[in-house]
Amino acid sequence: GAVVSQHPSWVICKSGTSVKIECRSLDFQATTMFWYRQFPKQSLMLMATSNEGSKATYEQGVEKDKFLINHASLTLSTLTVTSAHPEDSSFYICSPGDRAVANYGYTFGSGTRLTVV
Amino acid sequence: GENVEQHPSTLSVQEGDSAVIKCTYSDSASNYFPWYKQELGKRPQLIIDIRSNVGEKKDQRIAVTLNKTAKHFSLHITETQPEDSAVYFCAASFSGNTPLVFGKGTRLSVIA
Repeated sequence: GAVVSQHPSWVICKSGTSVKIECRSLDFQATTMFWYRQFPKQSLMLMATSNEGSKATYEQGVEKDKFLINHASLTLSTLTVTSAHPEDSSFYICSPGDRAVANYGYTFGSGTRLTVV
Repeated sequence: GENVEQHPSTLSVQEGDSAVIKCTYSDSASNYFPWYKQELGKRPQLIIDIRSNVGEKKDQRIAVTLNKTAKHFSLHITETQPEDSAVYFCAASFSGNTPLVFGKGTRLSVIA
């Protein structure tokens, strides 16, 4: 249970372009999705929390206009990195919250390795 | 908010020896403490977890202990094998509606 499909697994993009990352819950409904970022040789840091049907909440220091989060349905949450720059290169990973955690424990998508050149 | 400290940052052990990684947390309301193993480029994999109503949990070569009073928890790996080499993260949370807060990680190297 609580399988999360995350795509793409890796992407290379040019500076200034936008990249969309999708996390889809396959066997459960996710009203909450946590989005983490992991820089090389560092830990996972929470970027934002998306909530189905409402605005996402962002952690301090994370630009909400740069990292657009959409959680329009109970099975899909997306993170769009707009006007990407090399410093945005990182490993992005999603993790569902609330009922998924209560039933199955915290799980993670497979992650997206973003490289901005 | 919660803050999780993890030590050591790197750990090298001989194959067959034990490895111990320690974490402390700041928020006494936290009640769930998982440990993850992460290999390069992969998602974290849960290896063991413990809830605040339990002091110790064991799964074969892996054990976790929790001291709520001191607000620290530890991962113990016995009879280490080369395939145990990876980065290990501890984490803490209060409930499923709150995200995990991770420690900075420990790079474990098991030398054959």
